Amino acid sequence: DIVLTQSPGTLSLSPGERATLSCRASQSVSSSFFAWYQQKPGQTPSLLIYGASNRAAGIPDRFSGSGSGTDFTLTISRLEPEDFAVYYCQQYGSSPYSFGQGTKLEIK
Amino acid sequence: EVQLVESGGGLVQPGGSLRLSCAASGFTFSSYWMSWVRQAPGMGLECVANINQDGSEKYYVDSMKGRFTISRDNAKNSLYLQMNSLRAEDTAVYYCARDSVLPVWGQGTTVTVSS
Repeated sequence: DIVLTQSPGTLSLSPGERATLSCRASQSVSSSFFAWYQQKPGQTPSLLIYGASNRAAGIPDRFSGSGSGTDFTLTISRLEPEDFAVYYCQQYGSSPYSFGQGTKLEIK
Repeated sequence: EVQLVESGGGLVQPGGSLRLSCAASGFTFSSYWMSWVRQAPGMGLECVANINQDGSEKYYVDSMKGRFTISRDNAKNSLYLQMNSLRAEDTAVYYCARDSVLPVWGQGTTVTVSS
């Protein structure tokens, strides 16, 4: 089974700063079936990035995804107050599917 | 509009059973792999099981093998999760998901296992 490891576990930054979140897979995963989700307290996770680098509908261009194989990155170029949340990566190209444990992005 | 609507959640005693359903609309259900994802209170997301287009391939996370069964009825555009021998740690919100390049999730149904 593929294990996804996200780092860091918690990231403390200020609005306006750049955030870089990492997701590393225990073996190569299909970029086509790799996604990032954002979850705010009390809300359902919402899709940010699919296919490793494609922004979902309505997602601002300050969010970008990159990577392939075993290393993937979510970058938020300039943090807005509404971006502070928990972020999860997921691979769903190899069964059973798997999620990373999450990165909590908190206000410094 | 592509939509997934889960139902069947509720309160159940430890050792009990529950069957979750997911009604799909707005797309050709029979063309997609589907899965169930769950999130326990205060915890991360966890894949539960997934199933291929005609139901001939099914995969489960180890902790749920033998207790949970995923199935589908393409004629009814529906996905199911039969959960048996439920434990307190199965308490979670359960989401139905379409496993396409552009994934789609439902809003979830809550399962509470408690005496």
